[in-house]
Amino acid sequence: GAVVSQHPSRVICKSGTSVKIECRSLDFQATTMFWYRQFPKQSLMLMATSNEGSKATYEQGVEKDKFLINHASLTLSTLTVTSAHPEDSSFYICSARVGSGKEKLFFGSGTQLSVL
Amino acid sequence: SQQGEEDPQALSIQEGENATMNCSYKTSINNLQWYRQNSGRGLVHLILIRSNEREKHSGRLRVTLDTSKKSSSLLITASRAADTASYFCATDTGANSKLTFGKGITLSVRP
Repeated sequence: GAVVSQHPSRVICKSGTSVKIECRSLDFQATTMFWYRQFPKQSLMLMATSNEGSKATYEQGVEKDKFLINHASLTLSTLTVTSAHPEDSSFYICSARVGSGKEKLFFGSGTQLSVL
Repeated sequence: SQQGEEDPQALSIQEGENATMNCSYKTSINNLQWYRQNSGRGLVHLILIRSNEREKHSGRLRVTLDTSKKSSSLLITASRAADTASYFCATDTGANSKLTFGKGITLSVRP
């Protein structure tokens, strides 16, 4: 199956710093990637849809200036949490579809962000 | 808004028993998918059932879909300790290629 690699798996940072999370499709090209946020024992909340070569589409209530998404190539999307605060601590997961019209998602292994 | 709602929220069974998990949703769908998540990891796709299908099998997995009741069930037969994980249903309405996930079910299989 398709492989989505996400790094780092865990990051601890000080309040006020920015953190970048990378999501790579290793063996396929992903024109669209999705970024989710997940709190403990809760569901995945879609934050934004990342489109290669264009601006990301953010879900309602998600601050685009806070969560910067860049999808500069067909195999890489990045999520930068700017000026992180403790309330941004969460599990962030990316996913991608293989080709257009394919329904199932392939997920990265997630990034646990802890902001002190 | 929450589309899929699974029940029960937590399920604990003995190895070898069957596990049945249910999912209800609110709007019309193109397909419904089930995913598995091990603690602290990403999700893994298990099975997809389209709106015109009623039942599907994959190994020890059986999924059913009742569009009139807007519900689906996932059955794991002959469970193993390695099946311990959280299971999520996700609905695809065909709008903008987005999936909407339920809250998940935590399955514990006791050896």
